[in-house]
Amino acid sequence: DTEVTQTPKHLVMGMTNKKSLKCEQHMGHRAMYWYKQKAKKPPELMFVYSYEKLSINESVPSRFSPECPNSSLLNLHLHALQPEDSALYLCASSQPGRGNYGYTFGSGTRLTVV
Amino acid sequence: AQTVTQSQPEMSVQEAETVTLSCTYDTSENNYYLFWYKQPPSRQMILVIRQEAYKQQNATENRFSVNFQKAAKSFSLKISDSQLGDTAMYFCAFMNPTSGTYKYIFGTGTRLKVLA
Repeated sequence: DTEVTQTPKHLVMGMTNKKSLKCEQHMGHRAMYWYKQKAKKPPELMFVYSYEKLSINESVPSRFSPECPNSSLLNLHLHALQPEDSALYLCASSQPGRGNYGYTFGSGTRLTVV
Repeated sequence: AQTVTQSQPEMSVQEAETVTLSCTYDTSENNYYLFWYKQPPSRQMILVIRQEAYKQQNATENRFSVNFQKAAKSFSLKISDSQLGDTAMYFCAFMNPTSGTYKYIFGTGTRLKVLA
């Protein structure tokens, strides 16, 4: 299995809703990432988990809450989002330390906040 | 701080022709990795090619090759025999493994359109 699977593919939520994005990989990668991408812009890093521990939080608002329950799974919990949070949310994984460092990306969740 | 610059917001090329996308970067590090990623309308980011800074030989992957000029801090991507499926956004990315963060610095992207 050489894929990163993200669910759902599309999500529409109200500003008072609570929802979660899910990301799963079975490549044995020990680093996982959440990126946010606005239209026609490069991805912006949100969080990095390394060996299931949060290693980077790029000053993301607390309405975004990441979770890494195990080495294969990464969640992003969403609560009280704003319309400007509408974007493509990409998950990625990598296996650092093997001279590779290339990410494998999922196909993303398109989030619309109404 | 490292920066990555892609100076061509949009490019087009005729099918079967060759096109070169430019990327320059700024760093004081000696050990780093450079990548080109492709993002088609299907939106998944796909790794096209990677280059390790300590390797002088330019990386190649089938129709894709890079011209890595370390002294000039330049990392251009050449696509030969362009195909319609190459139509996508292309991002250049830099990563310093010694930072321990495995974080990418992305350029702003080049939108490539292959014309039939």
